[in-house]
Amino acid sequence: AQSVTQLGSHVSVSEGALVLLRCNYSSSVPPYLFWYVQYPNQGLQLLLKYTTGATLVKGINGFEAEFKKSETSFHLTKPSAHMSDAAEYFCAVSAIKAAGNKLTFGGGTRVLVKP
Amino acid sequence: DSGVTQTPKHLITATGQRVTLRCSPRSGDLSVYWYQQSLDQGLQFLIQYYNGEERAKGNILERFSAQQFPDLHSELNLSSLELGDSALYFCASSVGQGGVETQYFGPGTRLLVL
Repeated sequence: AQSVTQLGSHVSVSEGALVLLRCNYSSSVPPYLFWYVQYPNQGLQLLLKYTTGATLVKGINGFEAEFKKSETSFHLTKPSAHMSDAAEYFCAVSAIKAAGNKLTFGGGTRVLVKP
Repeated sequence: DSGVTQTPKHLITATGQRVTLRCSPRSGDLSVYWYQQSLDQGLQFLIQYYNGEERAKGNILERFSAQQFPDLHSELNLSSLELGDSALYFCASSVGQGGVETQYFGPGTRLLVL
C-alpha cells in the first residue's frame, strides 16, 4: 500500500520569500512522485514529476522538488513566491508495477501569499 | 486547458436520486480515471478504465458505477444519493496505463446533494 503525508495544511509566505512544501511518502515498491497544483474552481495541473534518474526535478512556474529516498521525501520548493502561487498543492505517489495507475494523494497544502 | 472535458460543471439534486457525470479524455488517451474530492476525505481514487476495460478500483461505493464507451468517453453513475456524496468529482486521462504517465485532469463536476 502507498500513502502520502503533507506536513502543514496551510502555509503563509511573503511575496518574494522561499516556498517550501513538505511531502513524505510510503511505498513498498519504487515510487513515481508527482506534485499537482489546484487553483480555485479549477482542476489539478501537473507541476512536476519524478520517475527515475536525476533526483532534482524542475517543473513549471519555477518550482522544483528533490527526491530523497533515504528520507522518503519529495519536498517542493520555489525560491521566490509570487502572488499567482496562491493555490492548493498536492503531492501524489504512484507505483511502478501496480495494476492500473491510480494516484494516491496527500491531504494538500493551501498556500497564501502575502504582499 | 488540459484537454479533458467534464459535464455538467455543477449538479444539484436530492437524496435518493441518480445522476450521471460525463468525461471526454484528451485526444489519443486510452485511460480514464475518476476521483472524488471532499473536505473530509480529500482526493480519493475511485476507478480506472483502459480502452473500455476496468483496470483498477479504489474506494468506490457499490452505489457508484462507471463505464468507458468505444469512443473512449466515460460516465460515472451515482445512485441512491446521500448527503455525504456531495463533492467535486474529477476525471483524468492518460495515454496508456503505466504508473509513470502523467494524468491530465478535467475541471471537475461539483455535486451538491440536498
